[in-house]
Amino acid sequence: GAVVSQHPSRVICKSGTSVKIECRSLDFQATTMFWYRQFPKQSLMLMATSNEGSKATYEQGVEKDKFLINHASLTLSTLTVTSAHPEDSSFYICSARTLRGSGGYYNEQFFGPGTRLTVL
Amino acid sequence: AQKITQTQPGMFVQEKEAVTLDCTYDTSDPSYGLFWYKQPSSGEMIFLIYQGSYDQQNATEGRYSLNFQKARKSANLVISASQLGDSAMYFCAMIPGGISGGSNYKLTFGKGTLLTVNP
Repeated sequence: GAVVSQHPSRVICKSGTSVKIECRSLDFQATTMFWYRQFPKQSLMLMATSNEGSKATYEQGVEKDKFLINHASLTLSTLTVTSAHPEDSSFYICSARTLRGSGGYYNEQFFGPGTRLTVL
Repeated sequence: AQKITQTQPGMFVQEKEAVTLDCTYDTSDPSYGLFWYKQPSSGEMIFLIYQGSYDQQNATEGRYSLNFQKARKSANLVISASQLGDSAMYFCAMIPGGISGGSNYKLTFGKGTLLTVNP
């Protein structure tokens, strides 16, 4: 099956520093990658959608200057939390979507294992 | 706009019994897809089952089945013969377009149901 990896799985940083999270599709090319944020005991909230080689589309209320997304290739997207603060502490999950043909097209979305960010 | 409603914040079930997790949805799109995901305490999102709006039969995947009632706009997940390892958060999600949707179509998630399987 398709595998999406995220690195790091956990990160603790000091307030004011920047943190980069990588999302890779290991055995397929992702047409689109998505970044989600999840607070404890809550649902996933979509932050942004990115396509390779183009600017990310951010959801309403998400600061694009704070959450920088780069989608440099069909297998790699990065999320950089700039000048992180304690309120940015959360679980960040990426997903990668591919179009897979099997008598038709099926939008299949694969999730990474998530990155737990703690800002002190 | 799409909306997913999961009205059960928490559910309890005895091991080996069946359990139904509720999900209702709202959409104006004639074509859509419905998903169920499992999220254990480790945080990973595990795909369980998919139902397309035009699928004639209810989807089944092993112990998971989706009770799709289109007129009622419900897509309940049924887990048969519950196991201790089924204890997790379960999310219902929807995507417009479903099988023929464009690559930028976004998943809308419900708030989730925390399932606890008791021994």
